[in-house]
Amino acid sequence: AQRVTQPEKLLSVFKGAPVELKCNYSYSGSPELFWYVQYSRQRLQLLLRHISRESIKGFTADLNKGETSFHLKKPFAQEEDSAMYYCALRSTGTASKLTFGTGTRLQVTL
Amino acid sequence: DTGVSQDPRHKITKRGQNVTFRCDPISEHNRLYWYRQTLGQGPEFLTYFQNEAQLEKSRLLSDRFSAERPKGSFSTLEIQRTEQGDSAMYLCASSQVMGGAEAFFGQGTRLTVV
Repeated sequence: AQRVTQPEKLLSVFKGAPVELKCNYSYSGSPELFWYVQYSRQRLQLLLRHISRESIKGFTADLNKGETSFHLKKPFAQEEDSAMYYCALRSTGTASKLTFGTGTRLQVTL
Repeated sequence: DTGVSQDPRHKITKRGQNVTFRCDPISEHNRLYWYRQTLGQGPEFLTYFQNEAQLEKSRLLSDRFSAERPKGSFSTLEIQRTEQGDSAMYLCASSQVMGGAEAFFGQGTRLTVV
């Protein structure tokens, strides 16, 4: 069975501080990993995916298969980064359904 | 807004009543997904359609739940004989069929069973 673990329910950082949102997964095959973000009163939206290896809004995430992790990082947090972040896994070769973690609320304060 | 649309946004119902939610996906998307999200949890997969065919159902989807996508466009999710445990946010998402396609989510229908 596949599982996504986000150990922190809340992460509070000061503006300008580095951010790391943790995500670990368990899956026997080769998964696709994603980070979704939900800003206040908005719908869930894709932030980034590991296959793109891109930086979105200053965020990056590297898939570490040895540690089965996909942590989300940003060197300098901004107020507008405050949101709920969900890590998700999609197993390859199936219906493309997503398995989500429980989410981490990022709170960026001045 | 040309994204995924869900109706209603909120629904309060008495225990034992039936409810039906509607999802209109992005028009060119063949795949449509239903998820449920309870407080403090991430979305959990319920079922998905490719065109009008329902191809997978989670074991979370009890016999009281039924979903349809009759013409491969909009979808409905019905819950019969609602229970308090059904209170949740019901999310719909759609995507294209091609591998790696992004899933776009609707704003959800919040169900409260009293």
